[in-house]
Amino acid sequence: DTGVSQNPRHKITKRGQNVTFRCDPISEHNRLYWYRQTLGQGPEFLTYFQNEAQLEKSRLLSDRFSAERPKGSFSTLEIQRTEQGDSAMYLCASSLMSGQPQHFGDGTRLSIL
Amino acid sequence: AQKVTQAQTEISVVEKEDVTLDCVYETRDTTYYLFWYKQPPSGELVFLIRRNSFDEQNEISGRYSWNFQKSTSSFNFTITASQVVDSAVYFCALSEGRSSNYKLTFGKGTLLTVNP
Repeated sequence: DTGVSQNPRHKITKRGQNVTFRCDPISEHNRLYWYRQTLGQGPEFLTYFQNEAQLEKSRLLSDRFSAERPKGSFSTLEIQRTEQGDSAMYLCASSLMSGQPQHFGDGTRLSIL
Repeated sequence: AQKVTQAQTEISVVEKEDVTLDCVYETRDTTYYLFWYKQPPSGELVFLIRRNSFDEQNEISGRYSWNFQKSTSSFNFTITASQVVDSAVYFCALSEGRSSNYKLTFGKGTLLTVNP
């Protein structure tokens, strides 16, 4: 049973560059969530997909952020024109059914120079 | 709006001590779910337990036990006979159900350090 896979594990980039992260959920999990975690804080919700449909976006998700799940399987999260404040761990989680536990990937740690 | 409070920022114990991690939540929904996750130094969030709002039975799993009390909006987590491997950040989380797409609202976490 493979878990949620995220890559890259680490991303270091200069301010102003674009970055893209990928999440492969547990197969057959049709619900997929993105969260962001900063140091000393709990994860905060960013966006939610049910199959390929993006059903909710947090106010944390500015216009520079976009997420897709084109075929209802893997998902990508893109940040354009990165800023210092984007430095965080970006976590992906998937679940099989509503209310079922969300299983998390190892996350992608983004550092903005 | 949903909210989770973990008042204990850090706890330090000596191995074999019992330790309780507190969690208080706020929600207006009558149907909701509560979770505990463990985040070891390696960083991955590991699911520990889920409770729904209609099931107030306490649960025990090995050295872990959970006490859910709707009257006080609390969902506390006790580790009995703690071990060094229990050292991690523990998060309590709340999911309000369909109206919120079951997204999780986390507390700020409690850093547990178990010393040998």
